[in-house]
Amino acid sequence: DAGVIQSPRHEVTEMGQEVTLRCKPISGHNSLFWYRQTMMRGLELLIYFNNNVPIDDSGMPEDRFSAKMPNASFSTLKIQPSEPRDSAVYFCASSLTGRRIGELFFGEGSRLTVL
Amino acid sequence: KQEVTQIPAALSVPEGENLVLNCSFTDSAIYNLQWFRQDPGKGLTSLLLIQSSQREQTSGRLNASLDKSSGRSTLYIAASQPGDSATYLCAVLDTGRRALTFGSGTRLQVQP
Repeated sequence: DAGVIQSPRHEVTEMGQEVTLRCKPISGHNSLFWYRQTMMRGLELLIYFNNNVPIDDSGMPEDRFSAKMPNASFSTLKIQPSEPRDSAVYFCASSLTGRRIGELFFGEGSRLTVL
Repeated sequence: KQEVTQIPAALSVPEGENLVLNCSFTDSAIYNLQWFRQDPGKGLTSLLLIQSSQREQTSGRLNASLDKSSGRSTLYIAASQPGDSATYLCAVLDTGRRALTFGSGTRLQVQP
């Protein structure tokens, strides 16, 4: 079975550039989560979707961040414009809510470096 | 706001030793608690999930316990092996929410 697929795995960009991270959840899962991991703050929830609808985006740092889920098999996290403090590993995770709520399956992450 | 704390932050043990990792949370109104493993440069892998009505879960050499009233969970690893070296994170799902709150993890090193 394919797990959660994220791209790109690594991204190096310059301050001010737009960054788009992509995620394909596990087929059949109806919840999708974007987390950010840094050494200083650990894992932080940015946003989660249920049935393609954003449920809680209170973790999105500011207006520079936006996330979309146009269909059940694809989501994007966009940062525009990017800043050095956005450097982190961004994880996407999915779950099947309703059976074992909260059992998350994570992707390998996208490591972002903003110079 | 839920806060999850893991102690110790790092642990180094010789191979074969039994060990306990600790997790505490401030709000006992949780739906479940999960333990994850993270290898360097990798994503998180779910190890054990304990529902709020359960006291423990076991998988192979791993045993996780939950004391919801005191806001504590432990992950017991029996007969540790070098392959167990990783960061272990616990996370809780608050009732009424659908997203986990994570601890900062315990970095485990098992020496051969």
